[in-house]
Amino acid sequence: DAGVIQSPRHEVTEMGQEVTLRCKPISGHDYLFWYRQTMMRGLELLIYFNNNVPIDDSGMPEDRFSAKMPNASFSTLKIQPSEPRDSAVYFCASSLAISGNTIYFGEGSWLTVV
Amino acid sequence: SQKIEQNSEALNIQEGKTATLTCNYTNYSPAYLQWYRQDPGRGPVFLLLIRENEKEKRKERLKVTFDTTLKQSLFHITASQPADSATYLCALGDHKLVFGAGTILRVKS
Repeated sequence: DAGVIQSPRHEVTEMGQEVTLRCKPISGHDYLFWYRQTMMRGLELLIYFNNNVPIDDSGMPEDRFSAKMPNASFSTLKIQPSEPRDSAVYFCASSLAISGNTIYFGEGSWLTVV
Repeated sequence: SQKIEQNSEALNIQEGKTATLTCNYTNYSPAYLQWYRQDPGRGPVFLLLIRENEKEKRKERLKVTFDTTLKQSLFHITASQPADSATYLCALGDHKLVFGAGTILRVKS
C-alpha cells in the first residue's frame, strides 16, 4: 500500500486566502484524523472521522477551519480565510480501529501563511 | 486537565549506550500507551504499543514499560546507534490519541 497520501506537500499563501489540504487514507481504514504540529503546541488533534462521519471536531481552532470526508478515500481540510498563525505542518492519519490501534501518518502538508 | 509530559531537553548519548526516555501523564486512565518516532520533515511512525495490564513490551532493541500507579512509561533503546537519532513521541488515549511534545534523541558515534 502507498500509505497515507497528502497534498500539497508545501504551500505558501498570503493572509486572507483560502487553503485546501487533501488526504487519501490507507484503503480499508475506518478512521481518519487531521493533526496540526507546531513548535509551540506540538501535535494537536483537530478532528477525526469514522466511516466518513465527523466524530469529534473539538480540536478545530475556530470557524475558519472546516473538514470534510465525502467518501472513504478522500478528505479535505480547509482554512478560509488563512492567517499567519495558521502556519504549521498539517498531518492526516488513518487507522483500522480507534482504540489501541496503530495510527499511520502521511508526510504532512507544510503551510506558510505570509 | 489531561497532560502528557516528556523531557523537553534533548537527550545526547554515546553510540552503544542505552537511551531511556520518559513519559509522564496526569488525569488520564489510558488503556493503551503508544510510542512513535518522528524524523525531521516526516510524519510520526508507530513503534510500540503497551496495554495497561502489561508491565513491559519488547521489540528488537526497544523496550517499553508502563506503570499505571506512577502514571509513567519508560522507553529504552539498547545498543543505540546514530540512526536512532530522532524525536520520540508518546501517545495516550482510547478513542482520541493525544501526543506528548516529544523528546529529541541524539546518538553520537
